[in-house]
Amino acid sequence: GAVVSQHPSRVICKSGTSVKIECRSLDFQATTMFWYRQFPKQSLMLMATSNEGSKATYEQGVEKDKFLINHASLTLSTLTVTSAHPEDSSFYICSARESGDYGYTFGSGTRLTVV
Amino acid sequence: AQTVTQSQPEMSVQEAETVTLSCTYDTSESDYYLFWYKQPPSRQMILVIRQEAYKQQNATENRFSVNFQKAAKSFSLKISDSQLGDAAMYFCAYRSSHTGANSKLTFGKGITLSVRP
Repeated sequence: GAVVSQHPSRVICKSGTSVKIECRSLDFQATTMFWYRQFPKQSLMLMATSNEGSKATYEQGVEKDKFLINHASLTLSTLTVTSAHPEDSSFYICSARESGDYGYTFGSGTRLTVV
Repeated sequence: AQTVTQSQPEMSVQEAETVTLSCTYDTSESDYYLFWYKQPPSRQMILVIRQEAYKQQNATENRFSVNFQKAAKSFSLKISDSQLGDAAMYFCAYRSSHTGANSKLTFGKGITLSVRP
C-alpha cells in the first residue's frame, strides 16, 4: 500500500529558531499534500494544502510567513516553522493523496517542542 | 460548508463485545466519500474503512463495518469482537468528490474508545 514518510518524528528547538519537517510519498506520486496540526485529545486541524509546483493554500487564521510550505516535487513537501515560539509546540501531521485515488495516506507525525 | 459531528467524546466496550461509534454529517452534495480513521497512542492515522456515497452497499473490512444512511446523513462504525488493540481515538471524515481545494478532508472531533479486558 501507499506509504508516506515523515521526518523527524520528534524535534526540540530553541525559541526563535526555525525547524523543517519533511513529508515524502515513498511509492506513489502525490499531487496534493496536506499539513495538519493536532493538540492532545483533539481533532486534526488543517493548516494548508499544497500542490506540486504551486503555492500552498492556507486555511484561515494560519500565518503564511510562520508556516512555510514547499511542494517542490511530486514526492516531497516540507513544512518550515520559522522563528518558532513555545506556542508552536504541537503535533504536526502530513498526508498525501495519490492522483486517481480518493483516499489519503498519513505520515507518522512530528512532535515539535519549542523551549 | 460541510460539517462532521461525532457527539460522543468517549465510549467503552468489553473485550469481545460489539460497539458502534456514531457519526453524522451535513452536506448539500450528492456525491462524496466518507472515512473512519483510527489513531492509536502512537498517533499514526490508520484508515479503518471508507465508503463512496454512490454505493448503497455498506462497506466492511473484517471486524469493521459501517451503517451508511445517506438520507439521514449518518455513517456509523461497528466494531465486532472488540480487541484490546482497538483502543484508540476514532475520527469520522468527509471528502467532497470534487477535486482541487475541495478534496481536503473534514474531520469530526473524534471519539476515544477504550476496551475493557
